[in-house]
Amino acid sequence: AQKVTQAQTEISVVEKEDVTLDCVYETRDTTYYLFWYKQPPSGELVFLIRRNSFDEQNEISGRYSWNFQKSTSSFNFTITASQVVDSAVYFCALSSYGGATNKLIFGTGTLLAVQP
Amino acid sequence: DTGVSQNPRHKITKRGQNVTFRCDPISEHNRLYWYRQTLGQGPEFLTYFQNEAQLEKSRLLSDRFSAERPKGSFSTLEIQRTEQGDSAMYLCASSSSQGQNSPLHFGNGTRLTVT
Repeated sequence: AQKVTQAQTEISVVEKEDVTLDCVYETRDTTYYLFWYKQPPSGELVFLIRRNSFDEQNEISGRYSWNFQKSTSSFNFTITASQVVDSAVYFCALSSYGGATNKLIFGTGTLLAVQP
Repeated sequence: DTGVSQNPRHKITKRGQNVTFRCDPISEHNRLYWYRQTLGQGPEFLTYFQNEAQLEKSRLLSDRFSAERPKGSFSTLEIQRTEQGDSAMYLCASSSSQGQNSPLHFGNGTRLTVT
């Protein structure tokens, strides 16, 4: 069975601090994809990144970076120099590679509150 | 690309009533998904369409739930004889079938409250 665990329910930081959101996954698939989505108060889930299991290279996009470690089944997300606009619920998700449906299995999310 | 559109944004109904939600996916996307999200939880998969064919349904989708995508464009999700436990945010998403595991693009959701 596939499962995504986001152990951090809520994190509160002060603006400009760095913050890391943890994601641990379980899957029996040898190939799979991992995703991060952001859900601001408006409710719409916004796609941030997709990473396939072939590629363990870390990725940086502006203030965002992702650390994928297959050995520990983790796909952690770091925001550098956080801003108030980063306040949202962040979801990690997993899908089977090339699966018939491409459906996502989501974690329970981490609520990030960035205080000014 | 106008994004995924869902209507209505909010729906309040009395227990036992039927409700129907609509989703208009991104026009070139042939894959469409319905998810349900309750407070403090991540979205849970309900059902999936490729074009007009409903290819997968979750066990969460009881007999009171039915989804359609008649012409492979917009989709509707109907809940019959609503129960208080049906109160949730219902999210629609679409994706392209081009490439592997294309990201899902979500709408703003329909928040259902059953009183």
